[in-house]
Amino acid sequence: GAGVSQTPSNKVTEKGKYVELRCDPISGHTALYWYRQSLGQGPEFLIYFQGTGAADDSGLPNDRFFAVRPEGSVSTLKIQRTERGDSAVYLCASSFQVAGELFFGEGSRLTVL
Amino acid sequence: DQQVKQNSPSLSVQEGRISILNCDYTNSMFDYFLWYKKYPAEGPTFLISISSIKDKNEDGRFTVFLNKSAKHLSLHIVPSQPGDSAVYFCASPYSGGGADGLTFGKGTHLIIQP
Repeated sequence: GAGVSQTPSNKVTEKGKYVELRCDPISGHTALYWYRQSLGQGPEFLIYFQGTGAADDSGLPNDRFFAVRPEGSVSTLKIQRTERGDSAVYLCASSFQVAGELFFGEGSRLTVL
Repeated sequence: DQQVKQNSPSLSVQEGRISILNCDYTNSMFDYFLWYKKYPAEGPTFLISISSIKDKNEDGRFTVFLNKSAKHLSLHIVPSQPGDSAVYFCASPYSGGGADGLTFGKGTHLIIQP
């Protein structure tokens, strides 16, 4: 499809495990963002890529979280040693330009047992 | 410390009436605001925006009003339709902390009653 694609849509894992979440942005969009939405909260900014480089990772909660975008298109959010508090919907968004309208994917719901 | 605040977690409005969703912000440096709409199991979708050089922006049934002195904006939907039932987020691209992402409010769940 033409929209932002995120996989998996649902992921259940055990505490302490490693998780990867993938985002395939809209073709031609150079800016890519990761957000996290916990229950009853708005989306919370995690990290933003302009091209291949992480232009701003100030929203990552700690060093267990890492994201890459090696070829400037698909991005992977990696979470090490998952904790129950990491349970949330992880949203990816892309835009044609920085601070432009964001187009969001449907999100990946992560549940850490 | 929430810089974008939506103090009403939910709002119920009768079909055909006006829905008014409110948003307050704390940082006077914020100069651009967006409203996003979110259905269950879907990502947020952009609805309407406003720049601080304006005090009103209208798009069909949706109008956003900005009161800079009060640091307040509101989204008006008229007439409200059943398909408007969703969670609405107010957001601004300036966080004041150097981050480049949008800062979102907690959202207001709008329920349109038939």
